[in-house]
Amino acid sequence: DTAVSQTPKYLVTQMGNDKSIKCEQNLGHDTMYWYKQDSKKFLKIMFSYNNKELIINETVPNRFSPKSPDKAHLNLHINSLELGDSAVYFCASSSSSQGRYEQYFGPGTRLTVT
Amino acid sequence: GEDVEQSLFLSVREGDSSVINCTYTDSSSTYLYWYKQEPGAGLQLLTYIFSNMDMKQDQRLTVLLNKKDKHLSLRIADTQTGDSAIYFCAESKGRSGGYNKLIFGAGTRLAVHP
Repeated sequence: DTAVSQTPKYLVTQMGNDKSIKCEQNLGHDTMYWYKQDSKKFLKIMFSYNNKELIINETVPNRFSPKSPDKAHLNLHINSLELGDSAVYFCASSSSSQGRYEQYFGPGTRLTVT
Repeated sequence: GEDVEQSLFLSVREGDSSVINCTYTDSSSTYLYWYKQEPGAGLQLLTYIFSNMDMKQDQRLTVLLNKKDKHLSLRIADTQTGDSAIYFCAESKGRSGGYNKLIFGAGTRLAVHP
């Protein structure tokens, strides 16, 4: 079974559109994250939710809105897509009770905005 | 990443040892991690080290931590072609409540040649 899954794997869309990416984890973790990886492979955290509560909100345009309906799911909705939003978006999860806080990553969603 | 620095490329011959280096800035980081990313894939947690340890060995992997110099290294013994990937060093920025965010380096691209 896949531990952290994301859909879709690839997303090609035009500027100005609105799109969503979904993430699910079956590890029983209580914390989930969204990261953005640019074309130079640089990874930067965007958001984090713990028990459905937003706990990390980095400097991200408010066109990006995360939503966590429950502990196992974290979705990312992006409004008015721009060329600069093209990147690979990774979801990750961790457990706040384990002490080590290692994060497990999904396979990524490659977003291409044309 | 501005807080974590790594050299960008490393080329080694199959069977040799690889050493990937990383420097970080936050002395309060409790855990430091190494992740591996193969082409088109997500990040795979390789190993981690607690900040009060100097060394950790896990099969072909050896992690060395010099806390005074804020220097972390990953040694891969008997490097194989399957080890070709990008290796990310990450430090944890802890928060109250037991959850953290990871600050990643820019990644070291390891190329293994015959």
